[in-house]
Parts: sequence; C-alpha cells; structure tokens
Amino acid sequence: EDKVVQSPLSLVVHEGDTVTLNCSYEVTNFRSLLWYKQEKKAPTFLFMLTSSGIEKKSGRLSSILDKKELFSILNITATQTGDSAIYLCAVEAADYGGATNKLIFGTGTLLAVQP
Amino acid sequence: DAMVIQNPRYQVTQFGKPVTLSCSQTLNHNVMYWYQQKSSQAPKLLFHYYDKDFNNEADTPDNFQSRRPNTSFCFLDIRSPGLGDAAMYLCATSTGGGPAKYFGAGTRLSVL
Repeated sequence: EDKVVQSPLSLVVHEGDTVTLNCSYEVTNFRSLLWYKQEKKAPTFLFMLTSSGIEKKSGRLSSILDKKELFSILNITATQTGDSAIYLCAVEAADYGGATNKLIFGTGTLLAVQP
Repeated sequence: DAMVIQNPRYQVTQFGKPVTLSCSQTLNHNVMYWYQQKSSQAPKLLFHYYDKDFNNEADTPDNFQSRRPNTSFCFLDIRSPGLGDAAMYLCATSTGGGPAKYFGAGTRLSVL
C-alpha cells in the first residue's frame, strides 16, 4: 500500500530558528513530490520536486528530494511567526488505470513559531 | 484574485438534510478534484473530473455525488449527511494529468 510519512508530527520553535521537516514515502510509480503550506484554510502549493539532488528554493524555504532513499526535506531558515502552519507533503503516483495521477498526502507537520 | 473559489466558506446542515457545496475556477483547468479533510488528518480524495469524465475513488461512499456542468464549475452533493461527514471540503484544479496544485479556500461543513 502506498504511504507517505511525515516527521515530526509537531514542532515548536522560536523566531529566528532553522527547522527541517521530513517526508519519507513508499509509493509505486512515483512521479513527483509536492510540499504545501496549510494555515486555517486550503493548502498553498510550495514546491514540486521530480529530480534527486536538485534543491528548490523560494526565499527562506528550500527543499530537496532523494529518490534513492525515498525522502524529502523542507528547510525553513530564520523562521517567523507567519511560518506557523501545517506543512503537508504529497507524492504524485502514476495511476495507469485512471485519467490522472494519484496524489497521496502525509498527515502533515504542525509547526508553531513562537515570538 | 482568487482562482479557485468555494462557496460557502462555512455550511451548517442537519443530519440527513441534503447539502450542495460549490466550486468555480478561473484557470480554465480541465481537471477538478474534491477532497475531504477531517481534523488533524490529511486530505482524502473523493473524486475528480477530467473534462467531463467522472472518476470516483473506490472507497468514496455513495452518499457523495458530484456534478460538473461546465469547465468552470463543479459541485459536491451530499445526499444524506451524517455526523461523520463533518469536515473541510477542498476543491482543487490541475491541467492534464498533473497533480492538484491550486486549492480553493475550502468549505467547512458542520452537521447537527
């Protein structure tokens, strides 16, 4: 059965800290891995990773994928209170029986950044 | 400007009373998804439309139906809501066979 596991489940840090969120997966027919940020509403797309070893960066956030070890990390440097959210990892898997690929979500990491 | 719009943001219904949630998009994407997300859980795919083709997930209860009258709009109908259907319902879109990247703000459904 396909699964996506995120760790830690929750994390409390202080402003200015650097955090690393982990996502490991066991998915048949892997196509890509996506990171989303979810505050009190819908998920907001952050990154889509398809190739190993190539870092994607957006401001203080960065992410990298290791397709050999089947995991990804999301780094946030110089955290701010506005970074407080649930961070969701999802893996896109080819679904040859369907018209579109499947998206399998992890249960998320709840990040709380204290002033 | 919001690209995937869900209405209403909050919906309260009674046990067993049919309810319809709506989603519209200005992206002209051909794929629209409906996800159910319960508290502290990951979003769970209910079904999706690829153009006019409806694709139901195997474990989606028959109580959940969907309609897509045109490219821009998609509806989620819950025929007889139970207490266990209280959740956030998320609509998302994508192009071609790509993953859902653009989500609406969600509709939080409460069942009394």
